[in-house]
Amino acid sequence: KNQVEQSPQSLIILEGKNCTLQCNYTVSPFSNLRWYKQDTGRGPVSLTIMTFSENTKSNGRYTATLDADTKQSSLHITASQLSDSASYICVVRERTGANNLFFGTGTRLTVIP
Amino acid sequence: GAGVSQSPSNKVTEKGKDVELRCDPISGHTALYWYRQSLGQGLEFLIYFQGNSAPDKSGLPSDRFSAERTGGSVSTLTIQRTQQEDSAVYLCASSLETGAGNTIYFGEGSWLTVV
Repeated sequence: KNQVEQSPQSLIILEGKNCTLQCNYTVSPFSNLRWYKQDTGRGPVSLTIMTFSENTKSNGRYTATLDADTKQSSLHITASQLSDSASYICVVRERTGANNLFFGTGTRLTVIP
Repeated sequence: GAGVSQSPSNKVTEKGKDVELRCDPISGHTALYWYRQSLGQGLEFLIYFQGNSAPDKSGLPSDRFSAERTGGSVSTLTIQRTQQEDSAVYLCASSLETGAGNTIYFGEGSWLTVV
């Protein structure tokens, strides 16, 4: 069973609208959680990183939240743009070891005009 | 270079042939990672290097896969006797060190299609 689950699998929204992507994880002990944006045919690019003590972190129109007690994170995109169309991948890092990254399968977001 | 560089960006090969995929990490990054991403799937860990050594090779799918890193820099992922199920994007990433707080930077990937 994947230790990082993302929902929804895919999402279509109108340009200018807001949306929220979800990430639930079971990884323990927890170190940090990152959201990556992956454009089609490109490598993933880091959007935010959150540690245990952080609840909210923003990067422009992207706002990530983390509830370490319930092991849930969300990525909120405000005033969506066509360029936001991409896959958004949640990556959770375990506190021990070096290759201890757990990847979600991503949410495919399509923004339409 | 400014980012992680991978080559080739696209490769179509016949079943049974060998392929080599190359990764140039960000200069000074000691940690290097290889992942595989099949269409619509999440990233699958293959192997990572700390310097030139690979402490964990457990993610390599079979003995047809091997990887090496020389001079603490460039890494090569080799797939021997390719099979159709090897078709995927092979992503390389690097980070300054392997500690948890280090950001991992990904390359653009090598798209492999085995026909």
